[in-house]
Amino acid sequence: EVQLVESGGGLVKPGGSLRLSCAASGFTFSSYSMNWVRQAPGKGLEWVSSISSSSSYIYYADSVKGRFTISRDNAKNSLYLQMNSLRAEDTAVYYCARGCLHDSSGIDYWGQGTLVTVSS
Amino acid sequence: SYELTQPPSVSVSPGQTARITCSGDALPKQYAYWYQQKPGQAPVLVIYKDSERPSGIPERFSGSSSGTTVTLTISGVQAEDEADYYCQSADSSGTIGVFGGGTKLTVL
Repeated sequence: EVQLVESGGGLVKPGGSLRLSCAASGFTFSSYSMNWVRQAPGKGLEWVSSISSSSSYIYYADSVKGRFTISRDNAKNSLYLQMNSLRAEDTAVYYCARGCLHDSSGIDYWGQGTLVTVSS
Repeated sequence: SYELTQPPSVSVSPGQTARITCSGDALPKQYAYWYQQKPGQAPVLVIYKDSERPSGIPERFSGSSSGTTVTLTISGVQAEDEADYYCQSADSSGTIGVFGGGTKLTVL
C-alpha cells in the first residue's frame, strides 16, 4: 500500500523558515517523480514544486521560486521542502504527492498533509 | 502564467448526470487529471490521462477531451459524489503543474 506521511508543519513567524519532510513507503520511491502541492484554508489546490526520480529535473511555481527548495533522499525514501522567507500567504496545508509513472505531470497518490501557519 | 478554468459549482439531482468542464490552451498537448476532494480529506485521483479510470474508481466516473476543453462526467450521481473536483495539467512545456480553481458538486 502506498503511504506518504508528511511532517514538519507548524507555526512560524513571517520571514522565518521551516523544513517539511515526507516519508514514503509501499513503492519503489527512487522510480517516481514527487511533488509538493498546497491548499490555503478554504481555497483550491496549488502546485508548488516537483522533482524527478533522480533529482535531475526540479521545477517551482513562480510564487515560491527563490524561497523554497525541494530535495529528496532516495536512500531514505524521503522528500523534503525547505521553505525560507515565509509569508502570510504561504499559510496552507502542504501535501506530498507522487507523480504518475507514465506521465510525471500527473499525481496518483497524496499524503494527508501538514499544516503550515505563517503568523506573527 | 498558465491557467485552467472550471465552473465554480455544478448541481444535480441523484441519478442524473453531472458534467464538469476544464479549459486551458495547452490541453491539446498535455494530459489532464481529475481529483475528488471531500471536506477534511486529501484529494483522490479519479481520472488520469484525460479518460483513464484508476482501479477502485466507480465506472460512473469518466473523462473526455475535445480541443482545449476536458470534461469529467459522473453518470448516475450518488449522494456520496458530493465533493470538490479539481482538474490538473501542465503548461505547454510540460514542466510547470497547474490546477483548475475547483468545482463544487452539489447533489440536490
